[in-house]
Amino acid sequence: EAQVTQNPRYLITVTGKKLTVTCSQNMNHEYMSWYRQDPGLGLRQIYYSMNVEVTDKGDVPEGYKVSRKEKRNFPLILESPSPNQTSLYFCASSLYGGSTDTQYFGPGTRLTVL
Amino acid sequence: KQEVTQIPAALSVPEGENLVLNCSFTDSAIYNLQWFRQDPGKGLTSLLLIQSSQREQTSGRLNASLDKSSGRSTLYIAASQPGDSATYLCAPLSGNTGKLIFGQGTTLQVKP
Repeated sequence: EAQVTQNPRYLITVTGKKLTVTCSQNMNHEYMSWYRQDPGLGLRQIYYSMNVEVTDKGDVPEGYKVSRKEKRNFPLILESPSPNQTSLYFCASSLYGGSTDTQYFGPGTRLTVL
Repeated sequence: KQEVTQIPAALSVPEGENLVLNCSFTDSAIYNLQWFRQDPGKGLTSLLLIQSSQREQTSGRLNASLDKSSGRSTLYIAASQPGDSATYLCAPLSGNTGKLIFGQGTTLQVKP
């Protein structure tokens, strides 16, 4: 089944404890991205990757890192999480991120930082 | 800067009604527009994608239209069912970075 998977689905952590949220897609997509969803603010893009080894900032990149060493994986790294990073996170992928490409979203990771 | 507005924010209807959900965007220079469905605590499911050169797309009971020049898209749901209850999000693709700009969504409740 074609899908985007994320792990973990739920995570409670404490301020300053480094964590990684994994994202993987099995559709051979070049384009991957991360969004966060917050009440009243909607979904906002954190980082995106046009292809392997090419990543760039989205609208809210502060406090996050990403890497794209393989086409299928695009982990989101929080080096020193803070309470304002408590949010619902979504990974997405599409063939090239272009005008004809449907974007597919993962099931989400609910992160709470205490 | 692209801004997306969805009206109404919430809608409650009896089963069987035909519905129209509205989406407006401020910058007409879009590449496509996608409609998504989000169930509570779940991910986003893509419903329809309309390319900028298209006027509408249909999938089953769903029909989405796009008027780029006026900055509007509508999602028409025919013969609504309780299983249609969810939040519906529209998201135009602006620029060449693959970034979707999301509206706040319309939360739909269809009562049996």
